Amino acid sequence: GQQLNQSPQSMFIQEGEDVSMNCTSSSIFNTWLWYKQDPGEGPVLLIALYKAGELTSNGRLTAQFGITRKDSFLNISASIPSDVGIYFCAGLPSGTSYGKLTFGQGTILTVHP
Amino acid sequence: NAGVTQTPKFQVLKTGQSMTLQCAQDMNHNSMYWYRQDPGMGLRLIYYSASEGTTDKGEVPNGYNVSRLNKREFSLRLESAAPSQTSVYFCASRLANEKLFFGSGTQLSVL
Repeated sequence: GQQLNQSPQSMFIQEGEDVSMNCTSSSIFNTWLWYKQDPGEGPVLLIALYKAGELTSNGRLTAQFGITRKDSFLNISASIPSDVGIYFCAGLPSGTSYGKLTFGQGTILTVHP
Repeated sequence: NAGVTQTPKFQVLKTGQSMTLQCAQDMNHNSMYWYRQDPGMGLRLIYYSASEGTTDKGEVPNGYNVSRLNKREFSLRLESAAPSQTSVYFCASRLANEKLFFGSGTQLSVL
């Protein structure tokens, strides 16, 4: 099946710092999604990307769809304590249904006040 | 508006026991999904139902069965639980071309 490598696996940062994480794939995707999971809850969609090179922001979050279509990046600026959680990337290969949506392993983010 | 509701929230089983995880959505979504989440593995699709009356295997279907009872409900059954099925299970639903909505999860331990 598809493989997504998400890095880093975990991050420990100070409040106010910027955060970067990324996902790389062994094959081409035509949709990249970024989710956040709060403790004890299900993932919630943050940003969806549909075109190579696309750069999309949602408040302090910015995500990019890589030009090669095999990677994506998420940046969080000026982190705050409520940014704590697990961030997942997910990718959808071209011409497939959501039954083929593949998730990365997740990045655990801890923010120290 | 409850969204996606999963029951139970926590469950402990002995090896070989059976149980059914329930999922219901009140958003009139066509597609429903069952995922499992394990540390360092992300979310992996067990089964999904693209529409009422259809079900398909995902990435890790072995040891599970599903039933799309009606448009609202999609249940996941473990016939003979094994320790390898200890995990957090998430149900999700989706309207065509829209985002996935997840339930809050069921934490299952198999001893």
